[in-house]
Amino acid sequence: GAVVSQHPSWVICKSGTSVKIECRSLDFQATTMFWYRQFPKQSLMLMATSNEGSKATYEQGVEKDKFLINHASLTLSTLTVTSAHPEDSSFYICSARDYGLPYGEQYFGPGTRLTVT
Amino acid sequence: SQQGEEDPQALSIQEGENATMNCSYKTSINNLQWYRQNSGRGLVHLILIRSNEREKHSGRLRVTLDTSKKSSSLLITASRAADTASYFCAPYQAGTALIFGKGTTLSVSS
Repeated sequence: GAVVSQHPSWVICKSGTSVKIECRSLDFQATTMFWYRQFPKQSLMLMATSNEGSKATYEQGVEKDKFLINHASLTLSTLTVTSAHPEDSSFYICSARDYGLPYGEQYFGPGTRLTVT
Repeated sequence: SQQGEEDPQALSIQEGENATMNCSYKTSINNLQWYRQNSGRGLVHLILIRSNEREKHSGRLRVTLDTSKKSSSLLITASRAADTASYFCAPYQAGTALIFGKGTTLSVSS
């Protein structure tokens, strides 16, 4: 149980274009979803937290107009990187939490590697 | 949210040996979770220990928690090459997101 999928697993796009990454909880209802990014040989950095049906809460330093997050249903969240630039190239990982689980476990997707050329 | 600080940052051992990694955190928690990340992959939830527990086992994993010292340890017994990965601890406070430190990179050679 507790499987989270991401699509696509990797994407290459040209500078100035937008890219959408999907995150789905496959066998549970994700009341809260999280988006992280990870640069090579570094730890995960939390970008934003989203609750189903609410606006996302962004961490300090993360541009909300650049990284659009939509959590429209209990099983789907999307991250759109708008007007992508090479410095946005990174590994993006989503995570989901079911508040039916009492201890705050987060389940992670396999990640999406974004390369902006 | 608070992040854990893992120590050591890197650990190299031979197959069959035990691997111990430590985690420290700063403020009170509801539980502490350990995750593994293989290169280029997402994180896998390994084990969770609640604040009122002192020790927990899962297969070859043994986790301890000392809330008075605000520290935890993860022991992997009889390590295998497949255990090669980065390991992260995540102190959890209710209602907050998990924040991750730099992790411990474990290399197990055969």
